[in-house]
Amino acid sequence: DAKTTQPPSMDCAEGRAANLPCNHSTISGNEYVYWYRQIHSQGPQYIIHGLKNNETNEMASLIITEDRKSSTLILPHATLRDTAVYYCIARASGSARQLTFGSGTQLTVLP
Amino acid sequence: DAGVIQSPRHEVTEMGQEVTLRCKPISGHDYLFWYRQTMMRGLELLIYFNNNVPIDDSGMPEDRFSAKMPNASFSTLKIQPSEPRDSAVYFCASSGVAGEGTGELFFGEGSRLTVL
Repeated sequence: DAKTTQPPSMDCAEGRAANLPCNHSTISGNEYVYWYRQIHSQGPQYIIHGLKNNETNEMASLIITEDRKSSTLILPHATLRDTAVYYCIARASGSARQLTFGSGTQLTVLP
Repeated sequence: DAGVIQSPRHEVTEMGQEVTLRCKPISGHDYLFWYRQTMMRGLELLIYFNNNVPIDDSGMPEDRFSAKMPNASFSTLKIQPSEPRDSAVYFCASSGVAGEGTGELFFGEGSRLTVL
């Protein structure tokens, strides 16, 4: 699986959009980009995933650049409950289902 | 569905004691994963099962650790003998067969182990 790089921490004002970047410059054509988050003391939670098209669900939007070397997770209206560590993971289709977590981005939503 | 259920939520034990952590995956899921999380090493995959069969245990730290999945609804992670460096939060996760690329893992709330 391709290595991903994320900033260690970010702040965001409550009610504003939180844009979390992820670099995956060595991603291969069959690797999906997954985003999980971990709220303090809880298990990681799936947010969204995508291959090359932008994706949106009830939690967030995922924007993947055309060359697929980077992506951005967007929380459109961040709340205090969105404070968490956000993990960006690249995983190949057809591979085993395990996910390798990096160190992620600690997002702090400020009141 | 109740989600992935882990027990105990907290365990405090003394060095040398046996520790058994338990996991009930989501019904119908055929993949089960054990992860360990520490401040120093983050989230590490220890072992995972597919259809109750261990597929990859390369992340298991040493022989003191063992995991079993006797049936589709139950798995255990055992540490014997336990050591202080085993102190961590242990997460169990499960995943269903939902086609290529879905890969969504559902995690339990974790078992926090403290070895004195």
